[in-house]
Formats: sequence, C-alpha cells, structure tokens
Amino acid sequence: AQSVTQLGSHVSVSEGALVLLRCNYSSSVPPYLFWYVQYPNQGLQLLLKYTSAATLVKGINGFEAEFKKSETSFHLTKPSAHMSDAAEYFCAVSDTGRRALTFGSGTRLQVQP
Amino acid sequence: EADIYQTPRYLVIGTGKKITLECSQTMGHDKMYWYQQDPGMELHLIHYSYGVNSTEKGDLSSESTVSRIRTEHFPLTLESARPSHTSQYLCASSELGMGSNTEAFFGQGTRLTVV
Repeated sequence: AQSVTQLGSHVSVSEGALVLLRCNYSSSVPPYLFWYVQYPNQGLQLLLKYTSAATLVKGINGFEAEFKKSETSFHLTKPSAHMSDAAEYFCAVSDTGRRALTFGSGTRLQVQP
Repeated sequence: EADIYQTPRYLVIGTGKKITLECSQTMGHDKMYWYQQDPGMELHLIHYSYGVNSTEKGDLSSESTVSRIRTEHFPLTLESARPSHTSQYLCASSELGMGSNTEAFFGQGTRLTVV
C-alpha cells in the first residue's frame, strides 16, 4: 500500500522567508500526490497535485512542489511566506487499490512577523 | 454553486445518545468518504462509498455506520456516543472513473464532543 511521511510536525518561519515542507512517499507504482491546506476549523483545500504531466507543479497562493523520483519526495515550497499562510498542511497519496487518499500526519506552519 | 456540505459544524452531546452527522454534495460525484481527524491532526479513513448502495470500511476501525441511499447524501451514524468518539469528522467526495489522479473535495467538518 502507498504511504506518505511528513518530516516535521511543526515548522516556523519569518514573514518573507522561504517555506519548505517535506513529504516523502512510498509506492510500488508511479504515485499520484497531493498537497492540501487546512485553516482553523475548516475542511481541507487542495493546493496542488502531481499527476505525472510535469515534475514541477504550481498551485494556488504561490505554492509549488517538485516530484523527485530518485528521492521519493514531493516537497512543498513557497519563496516568501505570508502571515496568511499559517495553517496545517497535509501531503497525500492516492491509493490505486481503493482510490482513496492516504494522508501524512500533517505539518503545522507558523509564520512569525 | 457545486459544493459539499456538512451539518452540524459543532455538536456537544451526552454519552449514550444516538447521533447522525450529515454530508451532502452537489457535484454529482460517485465516490464519498468519511475521515476522522484526531487532535494531533492526522486523518484516518473510516468509511467510503463507490456509489449508491455501496459502502466500505476504511483503515481505522470505527463504531459508526454509514448509508448511501442517494448519490448526493452520505450520513454517518453513531448509535451510542461515547467520549472516545470525540473528534473532528470530515466528509469528502471525488469523481469516479478519472483514475486515481482525481482529488477529493472536503466539507468544513463536524467537530463532535461527547461528554
């Protein structure tokens, strides 16, 4: 079965600094990978998804992620953090058997003024 | 506007009560899911459905049950609530037949507290 691991349950950056949230996957087949964001007391919103069309994927709110097969990684980045980016971020992989998403444990991003 | 709705948003209820969490979507999606999100943020799949009259249990064992009588409606029921059921419950839906690159769309969640 596919799985994802998110390194770092909490990440803190200064406003304007680079955001890097790490995600590694485990899959015996080419994976479909997703990043979601969750604001307080809200559901999950899709940031971006990798579907093998391009290794560098651009999403909403200035986020992007690069699929690296050799490193089995799909890290999320944003060049300059904004206060409004403070939220929970989840990496997910699509389980080809069930077509349900399996989520990582999440990373809480704090942005300091 | 096509969307996915969960009611109630917040529910505080006494032990032993029967509760139903509602989930409806207007996107015409065949697949629907229930995830349980614990205080540590992690999401666990507890139920999913491929379509009407189809329901399957997910990874996390749950005492809840679900039904899918209509495409747009996927309610979750707890016959006798206990404090261990306190959690956030997230409903989601996705399109069937597009392969596994299809994303899931989430409702805003129901935060359940059993006292």
